[in-house]
Amino acid sequence: DAGITQSPRHKVTETGTPVTLRCHQTENHRYMYWYRQDPGHGLRLIHYSYGVKDTDKGEVSDGYSVSRSKTEDFLLTLESATSSQTSVYFCAISESKSGQGLFNEQFFGPGTRLTVL
Amino acid sequence: GNSVTQMEGPVTLSEEAFLTINCTYTATGYPSLFWYVQYPGEGLQLLLKATKADDKGSNKGFEATYRKETTSFHLEKGSVQVSDSAVYFCALSDLRKGMELSTGGFKTIFGAGTRLFVKA
Repeated sequence: DAGITQSPRHKVTETGTPVTLRCHQTENHRYMYWYRQDPGHGLRLIHYSYGVKDTDKGEVSDGYSVSRSKTEDFLLTLESATSSQTSVYFCAISESKSGQGLFNEQFFGPGTRLTVL
Repeated sequence: GNSVTQMEGPVTLSEEAFLTINCTYTATGYPSLFWYVQYPGEGLQLLLKATKADDKGSNKGFEATYRKETTSFHLEKGSVQVSDSAVYFCALSDLRKGMELSTGGFKTIFGAGTRLFVKA
């Protein structure tokens, strides 16, 4: 199994409070991603990183920020949590591979269940 | 833009039944296609992949063939087991338009997921 951990695994917080989720990898993969999973929507990309200090927005980035100061850590911050951000958050990592065509297989962490009251 | 559509669930089958979960996609380039599986309380894990047209991905008795002419990547298994109960996601990965691989050029889009229940 790929070495990906997420912390915390569960969190309950109140509207308006800041929240930071951490993703830690031991695989030295270049790319890291934050997704949210909601019923009926599958996974939606929040932000991703393609190297230390290199990040970009995904399709649902409003209300979220990220930072990557080390290869192994990717932080997701909700500056002021809202009830619409109640979700399960997954971190993923990948390296691009070639040989049988260029492709991008992702490895996922166990998820963080966040509830905003 | 690119998109992935998969059949809605839940799908309920008896053990040893044949499974098909349909997945179709739209893409402007030449994407790679994936099936991921999510067991209860866990993250997604790759089940199988195909990187070009007519490729067949297979793993653990599951198969899917990359059909460019019908833009499909249907998941099949000849005889399901109770342990196959999970949520299955079809996904597409393609280079982002105008971007290089070095700057995070891949974009992966997931379908909404199909929940499978297998009864003993």
